[in-house]
Amino acid sequence: EVQLVESGGGLVQPGGSLRLSCAASGFTISDYWMSWVRQAPGKGLEWVANIKQDGSEKYYADSVKGRFTISRDNAKNSLYLQMNSLRAEDTALYYCARLSTDRLRSVVGFDYWGQGTLVTVSS
Amino acid sequence: DFVMTQSPDSLAVSLGERATINCKSSQSVLYNSNNKNYLAWYQQKPGQPPKLLIYWASTRESGVPDRFSGSGSGTDFTLTISSLQAEDVAAYYCHQYYTTPYTFGQGTKLEIK
Repeated sequence: EVQLVESGGGLVQPGGSLRLSCAASGFTISDYWMSWVRQAPGKGLEWVANIKQDGSEKYYADSVKGRFTISRDNAKNSLYLQMNSLRAEDTALYYCARLSTDRLRSVVGFDYWGQGTLVTVSS
Repeated sequence: DFVMTQSPDSLAVSLGERATINCKSSQSVLYNSNNKNYLAWYQQKPGQPPKLLIYWASTRESGVPDRFSGSGSGTDFTLTISSLQAEDVAAYYCHQYYTTPYTFGQGTKLEIK
């Protein structure tokens, strides 16, 4: 069974840092692009970042570029998000998600999601 | 950036009736080289992560009931639930994966009338 379990969220002051982790099981993350997607309380979904299978390509939303870093450790089957210079508007539930591909290996969307880890930025 | 706009923001439909949700992209998500629309639909129930329903605008994900269907091309798309069931109460989001930054519609909240 595919599972994604996020951890590392919590309450942090503005300007602070947090490192989120996502432990994957039931599949090998080295076969997939992986992503972080966030959802502010009561709001919609916002894509945060993508990382290629071998970590050679990374893409970020403009809202987090220069502050957040996505990374992965395929040996540990884990995904990470280092968040620095946190702002109140970064308060959200952060989901780890797998980018699915079809048989031609084209991305088709996020087929598995974790339950999320809550990040609250407040003084 | 591709702006995805859904309509309506909320919708109340009677059990057994049809529900229709629209999604409009500010730019075409049709990739000409493979004639595929890079558009997905997700269902999110309260307290749960999103669930992939439809990709390539009209391909149902494995295990998704056939009352869910997607249509459209280019910039205009529709998610249709042919006969609403109680378990379909949720928020629905469209999502373009044509290019980064990936973007989502603002969501449509579907309720029972």
